[in-house]
Amino acid sequence: QVQLVESGGGLVKPGGSLRLSCAASGFTFSDYYMNWIRQAPGKGLECVSYISSSSNTINYADSVKGRFTVSRDNAKNSLYLQMNSLRAEDTAVYYCARDRMYDSSANTHWYFDLWGRGTPVTVSS
Amino acid sequence: QSVLTQPPSVSGAPGQRVTISCKGSSSNIGAAYDVHWYQQLPGTAPKLLIYGNNNRPSGVPDRFSGSKSGTSASLAITGLQAEDEADYYCQSFDSSLRDSVFGGGTKLTVL
Repeated sequence: QVQLVESGGGLVKPGGSLRLSCAASGFTFSDYYMNWIRQAPGKGLECVSYISSSSNTINYADSVKGRFTVSRDNAKNSLYLQMNSLRAEDTAVYYCARDRMYDSSANTHWYFDLWGRGTPVTVSS
Repeated sequence: QSVLTQPPSVSGAPGQRVTISCKGSSSNIGAAYDVHWYQQLPGTAPKLLIYGNNNRPSGVPDRFSGSKSGTSASLAITGLQAEDEADYYCQSFDSSLRDSVFGGGTKLTVL
């Protein structure tokens, strides 16, 4: 069925690294932009990064720029997030989400129509 | 501080109608970017509830509806049910940040 499954989360010390993965199935992965969105404990949602279908457009939130790297392997239907120099404030559940785009009123609109269950990341000594 | 502003909480009795507001600015909702809504049931991932201001994905009951005017948007839930108790988030695009942005979320309590 159509789904996204994240993995790779865990407990890491400040300054450490983790690599998250997101396995897609049930749809043509290479047709879609993909996103990483995180949610700190008891907090709201924050867009972390997105990557275009062919990897030629990538964006990061200012809070992770220079520390996180997003990538994808369309042959393996997989999305990745390499997280380095982790900080306590990176503690969150990290969701993989599929992007949908459409044009209207001279704008391009984006929303997230498919989400994974998330993988928890805890940064603590 | 979220770019889009939502009330932290709303409540209503079963069968009632509640609305959740989402206030933006001239760089997002006011710049003609559409608003989308997500429902997050306790302990689960967010789920798309409304897209393009007022469109429901397949499977979402017509008790849920959205609207947008100026720099604000609203989610309305009619015939409130116990299973509607969840956190609700609005989302749009911000032209200054050049990224999608969320509201801080609203916790709906069914009394």
